[in-house]
Amino acid sequence: KQEVTQIPAALSVPEGENLVLNCSFTDSAIYNLQWFRQDPGKGLTSLLLIQSSQREQTSGRLNASLDKSSGRSTLYIAASQPGDSATYLCAVISNSGYALNFGKGTSLLVTP
Amino acid sequence: GAGVSQTPSNKVTEKGKYVELRCDPISGHTALYWYRQSLGQGPEFLIYFQGTGAADDSGLPNDRFFAVRPEGSVSTLKIQRTERGDSAVYLCASSAQGNTETQYFGPGTRLLVL
Repeated sequence: KQEVTQIPAALSVPEGENLVLNCSFTDSAIYNLQWFRQDPGKGLTSLLLIQSSQREQTSGRLNASLDKSSGRSTLYIAASQPGDSATYLCAVISNSGYALNFGKGTSLLVTP
Repeated sequence: GAGVSQTPSNKVTEKGKYVELRCDPISGHTALYWYRQSLGQGPEFLIYFQGTGAADDSGLPNDRFFAVRPEGSVSTLKIQRTERGDSAVYLCASSAQGNTETQYFGPGTRLLVL
């Protein structure tokens, strides 16, 4: 069974800092990996999707990398802003299925 | 529509009652997913539809849970004889085709069973 782990569970940084969120998964046979953002009491917003054949994806201040062989992904956020405060979830789709397998998320607080 | 919508946004019911949760996917999306999210956890998969058929229902916890998508668009998740442990946020997502595509999530239905 695919297990997804996110470290750290919570993170607090001052505005302007660059930061890295980590995600690891136990089964490297995946179709893709997706990073989501979730605001309190809200649904999930897709940030980046990396196909298994890709190494990274970028969108604005966000950059996600994928090392499938080692079962790891990182989400890099440049020049963090208070509006980035949210929970960030990593999820993978295994070759054997269609469902997203989620980690528990990293709760990020960016202070002014 | 512009995005995935879910109704109701909140549902409070009593133990033992029957509830229905509705999901309207993005127009034209053939794949539809239901997930359940408990407090402090990531979403957990319940069921996946491709068109009208349930392609994978391996995540449904027991036979009190059932979902339909009769016309390949709107889906309804049905829970019979609700239990307090069913309290969670139920999320619906859709994607253009299947497992290689981005899944877009609705705002969820927050279910509370008293």
